[in-house]
Amino acid sequence: GQQLNQSPQSMFIQEGEDVSMNCTSSSIFNTWLWYKQDPGEGPVLLIALYKAGELTSNGRLTAQFGITRKDSFLNISASIPSDVGIYFCAGQGNAGNMLTFGGGTRLMVKP
Amino acid sequence: EPEVTQTPSHQVTQMGQEVILRCVPISNHLYFYWYRQILGQKVEFLVSFYNNEISEKSEIFDDQFSVERPDGSNFTLKIRSTKLEDSAMYFCASSRGELASTDTQYFGPGTRLTVL
Repeated sequence: GQQLNQSPQSMFIQEGEDVSMNCTSSSIFNTWLWYKQDPGEGPVLLIALYKAGELTSNGRLTAQFGITRKDSFLNISASIPSDVGIYFCAGQGNAGNMLTFGGGTRLMVKP
Repeated sequence: EPEVTQTPSHQVTQMGQEVILRCVPISNHLYFYWYRQILGQKVEFLVSFYNNEISEKSEIFDDQFSVERPDGSNFTLKIRSTKLEDSAMYFCASSRGELASTDTQYFGPGTRLTVL
């Protein structure tokens, strides 16, 4: 099946720093999504990307859908303590609606 | 803002027992999904459901699993005879059912299933 490689697996940064994480795949995806998961909670949608090359922002978050449709990145600017959590990329291919998730990036922010 | 809700939040069961996990999708959504997340691992797709039938399922979704929309609001996942390896967080999700390329899935808070 399709697989997403997400990196880095974890990051420990100082409050105020910018953060970047990315996902790559050997397969093409038609949609890229970025979710955040807090402990014991379900994934919450942050940004959805629907077109190759698309760059979308949501407050301090910016994400891009790679031109090749095989990768995406998420940037968080000026991190704050509440950014702590696990960030997952997810891709949706052309075979139905199922989402394939990356392994997650655990973000820790030091005040 | 409408949300996907799930009950119970925690379920502890003995191996071999049947469990039913319940979900109430967002009311005007037409596609429903179950995913699971084993502790510390990635979220994995189990099954999608549309128009009262399964539209896709993964290899995880074997004969021990079944889904049902028993009424106009609930969507359930049944595990017939639980195994230790079924212990995981189970997430329900729903989407409007638009074109697949723009159909965003919204997730519930999950049910933590522990099989002893």
